[in-house]
Amino acid sequence: DQQVKQNSPSLSVQEGRISILNCDYTNSMFDYFLWYKKYPAEGPTFLISISSIKDKNEDGRFTVFLNKSAKHLSLHIVPSQPGDSAVYFCAARGSNYKLTFGKGTLLTVNP
Amino acid sequence: EAGVTQFPSHSVIEKGQTVTLRCDPISGHDNLYWYRRVMGKEIKFLLHFVKESKQDESGMPNNRFLAERTGGTYSTLKVQPAELEDSGVYFCASSPRVARAEAFFGQGTRLTVV
Repeated sequence: DQQVKQNSPSLSVQEGRISILNCDYTNSMFDYFLWYKKYPAEGPTFLISISSIKDKNEDGRFTVFLNKSAKHLSLHIVPSQPGDSAVYFCAARGSNYKLTFGKGTLLTVNP
Repeated sequence: EAGVTQFPSHSVIEKGQTVTLRCDPISGHDNLYWYRRVMGKEIKFLLHFVKESKQDESGMPNNRFLAERTGGTYSTLKVQPAELEDSGVYFCASSPRVARAEAFFGQGTRLTVV
């Protein structure tokens, strides 16, 4: 069973516009949620995280929103830049500290 | 500060052979994790070391996989004998303490078993 789901395999946006990446989860015991960015042939790079007791965390152009009642989180990138083009993974941390990942969403930002 | 480094970056071996992957975590990071991504699928947890002790190895597929972290520094992941389904990208990650959720990943080792 997939506890973390990213239902959109890909997303395409114009440079300067907002990118919204979505993630759903099923396990209410997750205590942290993270977003990682991955370029081809590289490892995932940590982007931003949010504790389960918060509903928003912002870092520059990146904001993560958490809706616990809906078991849903989203990553907003504003404004989007061509260099943001990558695969974005949503991950959740359980009580045993391991991360459970979604399958990823390929973001393409067009100039 | 050096990041997490993994060696080799690529490995192609025949079914039945043995392969050993190495991970050097960020200096001072007690927590070391191994993950694997099989083509097109999600990144999956394999195991977690705290210093030299295995904290959680619930993700290890079977007893053909053996992970060690002697002295609590670098770690090795040995696959013996390798099977076709072991092909994928093996990532190592480290973090300074479990209170911090984010783990820092290496570039991965792409293993191809033919």
